[in-house]
Amino acid sequence: EVQLVESGGGLIQPGGSLRLSCAVSGFTISSNYMNWVRQAPGKGLEWVSVIYSGGDTYYADSVKGRFTISRDISKNTLYLQMNSLRAEDTAVYYCARYVWGSRNWYFDLWGRGTLVTVSS
Amino acid sequence: EIVLTQSPGTLSLSPGERATLSCRASQSVSSSYLAWYQQKPGQAPRLLIYGASSRATGISDRFSGSGSGTDFTLTISRLEPEDFAVYYCQQYGYSRWTFGQGTKVEIK
Repeated sequence: EVQLVESGGGLIQPGGSLRLSCAVSGFTISSNYMNWVRQAPGKGLEWVSVIYSGGDTYYADSVKGRFTISRDISKNTLYLQMNSLRAEDTAVYYCARYVWGSRNWYFDLWGRGTLVTVSS
Repeated sequence: EIVLTQSPGTLSLSPGERATLSCRASQSVSSSYLAWYQQKPGQAPRLLIYGASSRATGISDRFSGSGSGTDFTLTISRLEPEDFAVYYCQQYGYSRWTFGQGTKVEIK
């Protein structure tokens, strides 16, 4: 079965660190563009980061220098290391696959998300 | 960064009515990179439309997308109870992805 399962969220104090994981089954992450997208409570979707199949990484300006995306191909797992966390990082974090199909690009698979709450 | 502005913010309609949702980009977007998603409370987004006008697998033909350049539209021809949700447009460009702020379609 093709699925993405996030974990690692929780309550963390401002300035703290947290690592999110996204366990993938049904396809190989190294052949895909894997992303993190977040959603603050009651707000819209915000793209956070991507790791391309070739390993290049990109970040939203709001997290650049604080968050690091990575992958473990042997475990078929995506990660998001989050440092220097701020209250505004509070959100549900989704893992999502971005694919090419029928000459178009789109997010076709999403996990259920993991909630990160940054509060003292 | 390309900014997507969706309107209206909220659409109050009755089942059976037609819904027209707008997504306007701050600069031209390739249709190949324009998609629409539906999100219900407590759920992850679900792909509805890709390539601005192609329905994703399993999506009802009540849903249709159109537009090009900077103006895109999602139309729901006859609202069913399960269609009341929040809808987002999304685009990709220069290794950045952006979403519109969403349109909530609520029961009138």
